[in-house]
This record gives sequence, C-alpha cells and structure tokens, in this order.
Amino acid sequence: DTGVSQDPRHKITKRGQNVTFRCDPISEHNRLYWYRQTLGQGPEFLTYFQNEAQLEKSRLLSDRFSAERPKGSFSTLEIQRTEQGDSAMYLCASSPLSGGTPRETQYFGPGTRLLVL
Amino acid sequence: AQSVTQPDIHITVSEGASLELRCNYSYGATPYLFWYVQSPGQGLQLLLKYFSGDTLVQGIKGFEAEFKRSQSSFNLRKPSVHWSDAAEYFCAVRPSGGYNKLIFGAGTRLAVHP
Repeated sequence: DTGVSQDPRHKITKRGQNVTFRCDPISEHNRLYWYRQTLGQGPEFLTYFQNEAQLEKSRLLSDRFSAERPKGSFSTLEIQRTEQGDSAMYLCASSPLSGGTPRETQYFGPGTRLLVL
Repeated sequence: AQSVTQPDIHITVSEGASLELRCNYSYGATPYLFWYVQSPGQGLQLLLKYFSGDTLVQGIKGFEAEFKRSQSSFNLRKPSVHWSDAAEYFCAVRPSGGYNKLIFGAGTRLAVHP
C-alpha cells in the first residue's frame, strides 16, 4: 500500500494555459475525490467518482474544469484557460466502498500546488 | 446547509501543555465527524473519526475527541503536546444521509513553543 499519489506536486503556469493533474488512488479503492484548498481555508469538495462513474460535482467545478477516471483507477483533473483565481492546492483522496455505506475513511494524497501567473 | 466552524485560527501552546481545539458543526442529524492534520506541504492525515457509540474517541498520536450532541461540538484534545504536533488541524463532517463529500472547517494552525 503506497498511499495516494499525485503528479505533479507543483505546477506554475501562465493565465490562459491548460493544466492537467493526475491522481493515483490506493489500489482497489473504488471511490476517488477531488478537493481544492486555497490559502487559509479548509479543502472544498469538487467532484467524486465511484469506479469510472462521476457521481457528484460541486458548483465550484466550472465549465473550465473537467475530471475523468476512464478505467476506474487513476483520475485526471484538467483546468482549461486557467485564471489567477485557480491558484490553489488540489487534493485527491480515495476510499474503499464499505458495504454500501459512507462509513469509509478518505485517504488523501500530498496534493498538487498550482500557481497561475 | 451543513457547515463546520473552527473558532480559533491560530493557537500557541508550550511543549508539554494540554491542548483543546474547538469544532462546531451545523447539521440537522448526527453526522460522521473527523479530525485531520496537515503538516506543511503535505496532504491530510486522519487523526480520528466518530460514527456512533461511545462519544469519546481515541485517535493516533495521543489525540482524542469528544462528541457532544447538545453543543454540536467535536473538540480535539491532547494531554501533553509535543513539538512535532505543530501543524494545521481540520475538523470535517460528512452528512449521514448517504452523501460522500467531506465538509471541512477553515482549520486551526497550532504552534508549539519549546
């Protein structure tokens, strides 16, 4: 069990560019979550997958954001036409499906810190 | 809407002193409650969680938390703080109605003086 990994750990980009982040969950974890954390705040939920199905999206996830989990394993989060307000830490978490109830623990990765200049 | 309040943005304690970090939630029923810790540049590590049963829960690193329904609180405590406990602490709730996302407070940054 190597934990949740995220790549890259840091990304600096210019406004208007597209960026893509990758998350590899703990193996055999069915559920995968993306959160965004801005300075001085707690993480905010963005979206959630169960296997390859994207089951919930936050209103924070504007049309410029898209997330995929094509084979139910790793996930990508893409931000198109980045804006300075997108600067944040993007956290990924995964959890196992425990008997169909939401009692499972979410395990977080180290995050990708994005800076948009 | 569900919300989590951590009233203290920063707390400073001396090494060896006791610690209590406050957390209040707003939710109609009993949610699932969590405390996470985040060290600089790191992701979140789960300290402890409450689902049901005994309202005093034990976690890792010597931490404990007590759920008080009447006060809608889930305060985190440690009897003797170590310098390595300096970090940011987040309280989180997950509604028990089947939703899966976590709702986090804004965090409390803990500094430990030698």
